[in-house]
Amino acid sequence: DAGVIQSPRHEVTEMGQEVTLRCKPISGHNSLFWYRQTMMRGLELLIYFNNNVPIDDSGMPEDRFSAKMPNASFSTLKIQPSEPRDSAVYFCASSLLVHTEAFFGQGTRLTVV
Amino acid sequence: TQLLEQSPQFLSIQEGENLTVYCNSSSVFSSLQWYRQEPGEGPVLLVTVVTGGEVKKLKRLTFQFGDARKDSSLHITAAQPGDTGLYLCAWSGGSNYKLTFGKGTLLTVNP
Repeated sequence: DAGVIQSPRHEVTEMGQEVTLRCKPISGHNSLFWYRQTMMRGLELLIYFNNNVPIDDSGMPEDRFSAKMPNASFSTLKIQPSEPRDSAVYFCASSLLVHTEAFFGQGTRLTVV
Repeated sequence: TQLLEQSPQFLSIQEGENLTVYCNSSSVFSSLQWYRQEPGEGPVLLVTVVTGGEVKKLKRLTFQFGDARKDSSLHITAAQPGDTGLYLCAWSGGSNYKLTFGKGTLLTVNP
């Protein structure tokens, strides 16, 4: 398996623009996580899906952020409109079951100018 | 409130030295995971500890889970430059079983 695949690897956008980050989890994994990593706040969980259903979105910063998982092999994280404070590395991870190892993608480095 | 407190936040040592990093909480964990993250990459699982008092070894890395399952430590013997990275502890639990990370210890091993 190729592992968790995220795209794009880097994204530079202007403030106010819509940004969509994409994730393909490992086939057969039931749980999918979106994280945001910054020096100040570390690795923050934004939202967590189990069997394509959002279980906990309490980490989503505000209404500008939304996430979907239309099927078991694809998820998106959208920011609209984007702001400079959204600049961070966004990671997607998947796991076979809850409590088991999480496999991370290589991340998307987002810069909002 | 940070559920998982990791210390120290930064650690810079010379090759060959020993070191210990810590992960503490006021909560009891059913299990705890340790990950290492290298620059430009996502975190990778090193070990999961489950039983209070458990000790697991991974080559030069020794992981210990506290008897009360509230804390854990990672000890590295004879550190090498390849050990450089961000060491994260994580917990999966609560009503929603979400995987929550500490802020990590950034380790630099100088040749």
